[in-house]
Amino acid sequence: ELKVEQNPLFLSMQEGKNYTIYCNYSTTSDRLYWYRQDPGKSLESLFVLLSNGAVKQEGRLMASLDTKARLSTLHITAAVHDLSATYFCAGDSGNTPLVFGKGTRLSVIA
Amino acid sequence: DTEVTQTPKHLVMGMTNKKSLKCEQHMGHRAMYWYKQKAKKPPELMFVYSYEKLSINESVPSRFSPECPNSSLLNLHLHALQPEDSALYLCASSLSSSYNEQFFGPGTRLTVL
Repeated sequence: ELKVEQNPLFLSMQEGKNYTIYCNYSTTSDRLYWYRQDPGKSLESLFVLLSNGAVKQEGRLMASLDTKARLSTLHITAAVHDLSATYFCAGDSGNTPLVFGKGTRLSVIA
Repeated sequence: DTEVTQTPKHLVMGMTNKKSLKCEQHMGHRAMYWYKQKAKKPPELMFVYSYEKLSINESVPSRFSPECPNSSLLNLHLHALQPEDSALYLCASSLSSSYNEQFFGPGTRLTVL
């Protein structure tokens, strides 16, 4: 059974700083997904990582996947307040539904 | 059209009421999902429809009854709910159930009194 663990669960960071959110998963996962959720809102798809070594970037966010280490990272560069949200990683395996991590609540402060 | 829509946005109902949540997508996706999300928690999968057939029911109580009238529509019928069922209900769709990049609707905030 696939299990997905994120850390940290809470992250308070200063504007302009860099930080990384980690997502470990327990068994083979075909794909790894990152979602963003603003308070009271729905989930927005950020990245889909399909293979080992995959790296995707959008603005100040960069996601990567290391299938050998069963690890995905979401790197935040020069954080700005607008990035404050909860970030979920999720994996799947074969035809199984998405398995979500618990989420990382990110707060960017001035 | 690249979005999933849900109605209503908010719903308040008593424990004896019957109501329905609606979800619609026009992206040609053949898998549709219902999730329940409590505050500060990840979404919990309730049901999966694949090609209009119920493929997964995550042991959801029978007071929740899903329906997929066609490939674009998904309903969730609610009856005799409990206060602990109050949550954000999210609908999502994906190309198929074997490709899980899911696109989520805005959700229905449900309060059961």
